[in-house]
Formats: sequence, structure tokens, C-alpha cells
Amino acid sequence: AQRVTQPEKLLSVFKGAPVELKCNYSYSGSPELFWYVQYSRQRLQLLLRHISRESIKGFTADLNKGETSFHLKKPFAQEEDSAMYYCALTHSGNTGKLIFGQGTTLQVKP
Amino acid sequence: SQTIHQWPATLVQPVGSPLSLECTVEGTSNPNLYWYRQAAGRGLQLLFYSVGIGQISSEVPQNLSASRPQDRQFILSSKKLLLSDSGFYLCAWSWGAVTEAFFGQGTRLTVV
Repeated sequence: AQRVTQPEKLLSVFKGAPVELKCNYSYSGSPELFWYVQYSRQRLQLLLRHISRESIKGFTADLNKGETSFHLKKPFAQEEDSAMYYCALTHSGNTGKLIFGQGTTLQVKP
Repeated sequence: SQTIHQWPATLVQPVGSPLSLECTVEGTSNPNLYWYRQAAGRGLQLLFYSVGIGQISSEVPQNLSASRPQDRQFILSSKKLLLSDSGFYLCAWSWGAVTEAFFGQGTRLTVV
């Protein structure tokens, strides 16, 4: 079965501290992993995808197939990073259907 | 550019009443369309998806149905709402496969 697990419902850090939002997945084939973000009063939007291997707003995420993880990291958190973050999985035969984790609320305190 | 519209933004409905949520996409043709729901304390769950007009696939058994009467229109319906239908409903579109999904603003449904 395909599953995405985000173990933390809430992650609270101080501004300037490093951030790591955890995501583990279960899928036996070749997954496509995404991080979506929802800022307050905005719609859910793509933050980054593993296939791009790029850094967006200082965030990076590396797909670790051995550990079946796709953790989201940022070395220095900013207050504007406060939002709900969702890890999501799909694969080439899935017609674009996304399997989401339960989401992690990131709270960056001043 | 492509845009997705979803309405209404909030809705309070009594148990047993019907439901109709509408979603339209502009600026593209033949998109894949999706309805997701987030129930309290849970993640986003796919309810329905559609790869073309009149083609609807249901992911979970439930009290809801979906229809796609036009290429860029996706409707979520219920004949009789249940308390458990309360939640946050999101419409989304993509070009399919492993491409990015674009989401509407969502509808907060409260069944009382």
C-alpha cells in the first residue's frame, strides 16, 4: 500500500534555527515526491519536488530511497516560513493522484 | 495562464440537505481534475478524480458523488448530507502523471 507519514503535527522553532520536517513514505516502486505548502489565507501550492533537485525559499529535500524518506530542511528558519506543510507521493501510473501525509504546521517564533 | 475557481468558500448545511460544490478551470484543456477532502485531524484524502468528460473514478466509498459535465468543470454533490461530511474540500487540476497539481481556494463545509 502507498502511504505517506509526517510524524509531527506541529513543529515550533525560533527564527534563525534549523528546520527539518520529516516525511517517510511507503511505496515499492519509483516514487515521485513533493512538498506542498499552505500559507495563511492562501491556497495550497507546490514548494518543491524531488525530481527538480532545487532549493526553493532556502528549503531543500533529498529523496533517500534506502530510508524511504523525503525530509524538508532549511538551515535558518524565517518567520514567513510559518505555514502548513504537506508531503505528497505519486508515481507514473497514478494519473496524477497525490497521496498526502497528515501535514505539519511549522511555527517560527521571533 | 491557468486559473482554478472553487466556490463557495464556506458553507453551513443541515443534515439531510443536498450539496453541490463547483470547480472550474480556465486556460487549459482536458486537465485531470480531483476532489480532495481534509477532515478534522486528518490529512488530505483523494475522493474523486477525472481524466475526461463523464469519466469519474471514486477512491473511497462515501456519501458523495462527482460529475464532470464539461471539460473544465468538476462538481461534487450529495443528495443527503451527513455530519461526517463536514470538512475542508479542495478541487485541483493537473496535466496528469507526475506533474504539479494546482489547487483551488477550498470550501469549508460544516454540516449541522
